[in-house]
Amino acid sequence: AQSVTQLDSHVSVSEGTPVLLRCNYSSSYSPSLFWYVQHPNKGLQLLLKYTSAATLVKGINGFEAEFKKSETSFHLTKPSAHMSDAAEYFCVVSDRVNFNKFYFGSGTKLNVKP
Amino acid sequence: DTGVSQNPRHKITKRGQNVTFRCDPISEHNRLYWYRQTLGQGPEFLTYFQNEAQLEKSRLLSDRFSAERPKGSFSTLEIQRTEQGDSAMYLCASSLAALQEETQYFGPGTRLLVL
Repeated sequence: AQSVTQLDSHVSVSEGTPVLLRCNYSSSYSPSLFWYVQHPNKGLQLLLKYTSAATLVKGINGFEAEFKKSETSFHLTKPSAHMSDAAEYFCVVSDRVNFNKFYFGSGTKLNVKP
Repeated sequence: DTGVSQNPRHKITKRGQNVTFRCDPISEHNRLYWYRQTLGQGPEFLTYFQNEAQLEKSRLLSDRFSAERPKGSFSTLEIQRTEQGDSAMYLCASSLAALQEETQYFGPGTRLLVL
């Protein structure tokens, strides 16, 4: 069975400081993993994805994530937060055997303080 | 704009009324998904189409819910006899079926409020 746990429901950082949003997954198969961002009243936008190629994945807006199989983790990081990064972030595991069914985490709200 | 579009963006209705939402996927995408997102939660899968065939439905999709994709292009989601518990954001996504990596692209959602 596939599932995702986002360890923090809220994260608050100061502008210019690093961001770490944590995600652990459970998957019966070699997973595909995604991070999406949702700004208020906007749709979900793909940040980055891991699909069994390089374990360090670079995405848009300076975000990156590292797939660690031994830790079943896929944490999202950014070296320096910007005010525009304030949003809700969702980690997703895909069941590639079952029509790529998506399983979402419960989300992490990122607050960026000036 | 060639992304996924959804209409209406907002819907307020009274309990017991029927509502219908529309999703227009990215044109070449053959897979279409509906999700429901409630406050403070991640989206939950409702149903999935490959072309015009509805291939899976979640147990969340009660018999008051019906979805169609008649020509394998746009899709509609209808809720009959709405209840206050149906208040949520309804998201549509589409993708192009692939053996390996496959990404779902999401629309802006339809926010439903049942009074």
